[in-house]
Amino acid sequence: AQSVTQLGSHVSVSEGALVLLRCNYSSSVPPYLFWYVQYPNQGLQLLLKYTSAATLVKGINGFEAEFKKSETSFHLTKPSAHMSDAAEYFCAVTDTNAGNMLTFGGGTRLMVKP
Amino acid sequence: EAQVTQNPRYLITVTGKKLTVTCSQNMNHEYMSWYRQDPGLGLRQIYYSMNVEVTDKGDVPEGYKVSRKEKRNFPLILESPSPNQTSLYFCASSLRARGPGELFFGEGSRLTVL
Repeated sequence: AQSVTQLGSHVSVSEGALVLLRCNYSSSVPPYLFWYVQYPNQGLQLLLKYTSAATLVKGINGFEAEFKKSETSFHLTKPSAHMSDAAEYFCAVTDTNAGNMLTFGGGTRLMVKP
Repeated sequence: EAQVTQNPRYLITVTGKKLTVTCSQNMNHEYMSWYRQDPGLGLRQIYYSMNVEVTDKGDVPEGYKVSRKEKRNFPLILESPSPNQTSLYFCASSLRARGPGELFFGEGSRLTVL
């Protein structure tokens, strides 16, 4: 069975500071990994995905994530936070067997202080 | 505009009163799914469909029904709602049945069962 753990349900950073949102996964087969973002009163939208190509994945809005197999991690980073980055972020995992049946983490709410 | 549309967006109902949440996508996607979102638990899959007339249970199907009579529509039915079904519900779709591909989400339906 797959699982995702997001460390920190709430993360607060100052505008311009580094954003680091942590995600660790468990999967018995090579995983596909995703980060989704949810803005207030909206659905989730895809930020980026890892599907066994390059381990450093770049997404929209300046975010990127690095797949580290040895650490079973897929942390999300952004060098400089903007106020508009305030949202909830979800890490998710699947594999070729599970297909579209993603397992989501509990989410991390990012707050950006002026 | 490509989108997943859910209705209603907000609903307050009473225990036992049957309700349906509609979901429609205009992208000719094969795969559709329903999730519920609860604080700290992330998103959990209720039911999914890989094509017309093909549906299957997700992780938390108890108390819910679905149908897929047409490719574009995937309604979620609560035959006898209970307070523990108070939640935020999302419909999602993906182009291919087996994925893993990008999930496109609706804006959510917030349901309160009194």
